[in-house]
Amino acid sequence: DVKVTQSSRYLVKRTGEKVFLECVQDMDHENMFWYRQDPGLGLRLIYFSYDVKMKEKGDIPEGYSVSREKKERFSLILESASTNQTSMYLCASTGGETQYFGPGTRLLVL
Amino acid sequence: GQSLEQPSEVTAVEGAIVQINCTYQTSGFYGLSWYQQHDGGAPTFLSYNALDGLEETGRFSSFLSRSDSYGYLLLQELQMKDSASYFCAVPSGSARQLTFGSGTQLTVLP
Repeated sequence: DVKVTQSSRYLVKRTGEKVFLECVQDMDHENMFWYRQDPGLGLRLIYFSYDVKMKEKGDIPEGYSVSREKKERFSLILESASTNQTSMYLCASTGGETQYFGPGTRLLVL
Repeated sequence: GQSLEQPSEVTAVEGAIVQINCTYQTSGFYGLSWYQQHDGGAPTFLSYNALDGLEETGRFSSFLSRSDSYGYLLLQELQMKDSASYFCAVPSGSARQLTFGSGTQLTVLP
């Protein structure tokens, strides 16, 4: 059974803190993605990676960075968290035309 | 770029049939995907149409018309557990990164 896991289900941080969200997949997929989901806006792509150490900006990369040091692990970094980054963050990896999602991290920035 | 439009809400009764429409504008087209997301859960893959026509998987079917830039998801014999959000999405780029519609909240009434 395919599996994408995320480091936390819920996270509360203060404005200005550096935040790390981790995602691990066990399917040996090349491509991994980070989305944020907000009510009425659907899922929006932040960054994606098509190989180790390779990354590309998605539609809303401002305020975020990513790291992919190993094939199975893709990290999203909020360099200095702001209240407008309060959201649900979803990680995914791709097998063919199917994206497999992790359970999500609900982040609250105070 | 890519943009997709789908209705924000649909309501139907148990046992009925419901159709969720999606129109898209893309700069390059590979196909149309559908995902289901229950409250608090991760999106899960339902279907992918690369070619025109109807694809059936159990109670769910998905249709694509490339000439009309239009597709729909058809849910038959609705059950309470079908209450969820449904997203259409189009892949693009070598990593098949997805652009999602804003989602349709389906409510199934007893």
